[in-house]
Amino acid sequence: AQTVTQSQPEMSVQEAETVTLSCTYDTSESDYYLFWYKQPPSRQMILVIRQEAYKQQNATENRFSVNFQKAAKSFSLKISDSQLGDAAMYFCAYSLHNDMRFGAGTRLTVKP
Amino acid sequence: DSGVTQTPKHLITATGQRVTLRCSPRSGDLSVYWYQQSLDQGLQFLIQYYNGEERAKGNILERFSAQQFPDLHSELNLSSLELGDSALYFCASSVGGGRQANEQFFGPGTRLTVL
Repeated sequence: AQTVTQSQPEMSVQEAETVTLSCTYDTSESDYYLFWYKQPPSRQMILVIRQEAYKQQNATENRFSVNFQKAAKSFSLKISDSQLGDAAMYFCAYSLHNDMRFGAGTRLTVKP
Repeated sequence: DSGVTQTPKHLITATGQRVTLRCSPRSGDLSVYWYQQSLDQGLQFLIQYYNGEERAKGNILERFSAQQFPDLHSELNLSSLELGDSALYFCASSVGGGRQANEQFFGPGTRLTVL
């Protein structure tokens, strides 16, 4: 069974600084998708970034980028120039054939 | 706005009761997924429907059931409610339902409180 592990229950970053959230997953498949979702206090699930496993190039979306290490089954999220609005729960997710599994989440606090 | 709508936003009921949560997927999406998120926890997959047919089942209790209608909206029925059923219930939708690993778009959720 595919599992997703986020080893950092909580993280804190100073405004304008950079923070990296960790995620590892377990799979025997080679073609899958990985996602980072953000859940602010409103509880809405917002897609931050996606990575297709067959693409070696790391995905980027403005201040958000990933470090995808397929062999190590690692998928970390880097947030640059952190803003107060980045404060939220961040969930890593693995998807295979639309079967999506989520990690337990990392709560990110941004200090002004 | 993801394009996925869920009603109601909030629901307060008593133990032993039955409730129905409704979800309308994004236009063109054939798959609907239901998730449960208990307080400060991750999302637990409950069930998926694709074009009216049940496609996958997760950790869904026997007291819970779902269906997807011809217009592709879906309903999640929760019966014999217990205090532990209090949670945020998300609906998500995607274009495909099988081997295409599509991203899922989430609705705003329905917050269920069982007293």
